[in-house]
Amino acid sequence: AQSVSQHNHHVILSEAASLELGCNYSYGGTVNLFWYVQYPGQHLQLLLKYFSGDPLVKGIKGFEAEFIKSKFSFNLRKPSVQWSDTAEYFCAVNSWGSQGNLIFGKGTKLSVKP
Amino acid sequence: GAGVSQSPRYKVAKRGQDVALRCDPISGHVSLFWYQQALGQGPEFLTYFQNEAQLDKSGLPSDRFFAERPEGSVSTLKIQRTQQEDSAVYLCASSLGGQGRYTEAFFGQGTRLTVV
Repeated sequence: AQSVSQHNHHVILSEAASLELGCNYSYGGTVNLFWYVQYPGQHLQLLLKYFSGDPLVKGIKGFEAEFIKSKFSFNLRKPSVQWSDTAEYFCAVNSWGSQGNLIFGKGTKLSVKP
Repeated sequence: GAGVSQSPRYKVAKRGQDVALRCDPISGHVSLFWYQQALGQGPEFLTYFQNEAQLDKSGLPSDRFFAERPEGSVSTLKIQRTQQEDSAVYLCASSLGGQGRYTEAFFGQGTRLTVV
């Protein structure tokens, strides 16, 4: 069965610090990979996605993620965080060609201190 | 608005009560998903509709959970004889494409169900 593991439950950073959130998945076939963000009081929003091609994916608000197939990883990065990045971040996968339902990790809460 | 709308936003139910949660997807979206998000967890898949057809209900935790989308637009998730372990946020998502054709899923804000 597919599963997604996010290594950090809560990350606290100061503004301008660099961010890397870990995500590993377990699945034997071809997958699509996603990062979603949930700002306080708001709905889940797609941050970026990877289907195929260049393993370095750029998303909104300066976020990027790198797919490393050999490590089953899809880590999220941002060179310099802002207070407005305070949110919960979810890594998710689905099977290539499937109906599209997502398997989510437990989420990482990011708190950025001004 | 143009997003996915869920109602009510909050629901408190007494144990044993039946509840109905509503989802209004984005107009024209073929696919509709329900997820359950327990406290401190990521969303977990419950069921999937392509238009009015319920193609996957493998995530429904028990036969007390029932979902429908009779006209291929609005969907209702019904929980009968609620129990405390049903307390969670119930998320609805819709996407333009159908099965096998990925298109971005847009999420509603969810309904927070508390069973007391």
